[in-house]
Amino acid sequence: GQQLNQSPQSMFIQEGEDVSMNCTSSSIFNTWLWYKQDPGEGPVLLIALYKAGELTSNGRLTAQFGITRKDSFLNISASIPSDVGIYFCAGQVGGGSNYKLTFGKGTLLTVNP
Amino acid sequence: DADVTQTPRNRITKTGKRIMLECSQTKGHDRMYWYRQDPGLGLRLIYYSFDVKDINKGEISDGYSVSRQAQAKFSLSLESAIPNQTALYFCATSDPRGTGETQYFGPGTRLLVL
Repeated sequence: GQQLNQSPQSMFIQEGEDVSMNCTSSSIFNTWLWYKQDPGEGPVLLIALYKAGELTSNGRLTAQFGITRKDSFLNISASIPSDVGIYFCAGQVGGGSNYKLTFGKGTLLTVNP
Repeated sequence: DADVTQTPRNRITKTGKRIMLECSQTKGHDRMYWYRQDPGLGLRLIYYSFDVKDINKGEISDGYSVSRQAQAKFSLSLESAIPNQTALYFCATSDPRGTGETQYFGPGTRLLVL
């Protein structure tokens, strides 16, 4: 089955720094999703990418769907303390009854004020 | 009001007990999922349901069962809880219509099995 390699596993940065994380796979995906999980809460969707090469922004967040459809990255600019949390990538294959979503293991982000 | 709710939010139980975790949604989505989250392992799929009459095993279904009582309700049961089922459990929903299909998560249930 599909597996996603998400890196880095954790990051410890200073407030104001930019952050970059990525997910790679040996499999092709139709859709890439990026979620953020705040401590004690469920994951919340940040950005959804539907086309290869697509670059999408949501405030200080920017994500891209790789041209090969096997990877995606998420950048956070000018980090702030509330960016702390676990970031998950997820890749979708198939649709209808063949729909399947695979999650990466997450990147734990710590921001030092 | 939250679109996906889970009850209870926290639960402590003893080995061998049967417990049920409940999930309700007001999003009108046909598809519902149960995941467990363990540190360093990300989200692992336990069971999923694409409509009221459909139940499918995920990657780690052993020791769990589910019931889809209605479109809006999907419950997860641990028939005889064991300590390695201590984890954070999430319910999620999705809608196959429209562009792409994203999953929306509940707030989670933290389960401790002693």
